[in-house]
Amino acid sequence: AQKVTQAQTEISVVEKEDVTLDCVYETRDTTYYLFWYKQPPSGELVFLIRRNSFDEQNEISGRYSWNFQKSTSSFNFTITASQVVDSAVYFCALSRRTSGSRLTFGEGTQLTVNP
Amino acid sequence: SAVISQKPSRDICQRGTSLTIQCQVDSQVTMMFWYRQQPGQSLTLIATANQGSEATYESGFVIDKFPISRPNLTFSTLTVSNMSPEDSSIYLCSVLASGRGETQYFGPGTRLLVL
Repeated sequence: AQKVTQAQTEISVVEKEDVTLDCVYETRDTTYYLFWYKQPPSGELVFLIRRNSFDEQNEISGRYSWNFQKSTSSFNFTITASQVVDSAVYFCALSRRTSGSRLTFGEGTQLTVNP
Repeated sequence: SAVISQKPSRDICQRGTSLTIQCQVDSQVTMMFWYRQQPGQSLTLIATANQGSEATYESGFVIDKFPISRPNLTFSTLTVSNMSPEDSSIYLCSVLASGRGETQYFGPGTRLLVL
């Protein structure tokens, strides 16, 4: 069985602060995919990143960075110099590396960035 | 990513009635999925919409309650039948586009309120 845990239900920061969203996963598969999605108040789910289990290289995209550590089964997401527009619910998700595999989502972290 | 639209974007319905939600993609996709997001909750997969055959339902979801059609590679519908207030949720379709790896892209969602 697969499971994704986002222990932080809500995080509130002040603009320009850095913030890290935690994600811990469980799977018996040796190969898998990890994802982060953003859900702003409008409701749509926006894809942010996909990571293959065999690629532990950290990734940076603008103010966003991701730290994948297979040894601790974690895939954490950091926003540097947060902005009000970053306010959203962020979901971490896991899937098998087979075609069309279902996504298993964490419970989500509500991030509020205050001006 | 593929452009995905859903209709209606939101609706308010009376209990006992049914609502059909449409999902349209601007290009042919290999797989389409339907998810439910209850208020304040994470996403749960309802079913995989199979082109030209019956959908594959997840545990806890049945065809009589959530009939799904997928007549071609760009379109699918989800019907929420005999609705009750517990069906109030956001319903999202997602697609897996060929040539874009195993990343699911989501539609804007349909917000349903059942009175």
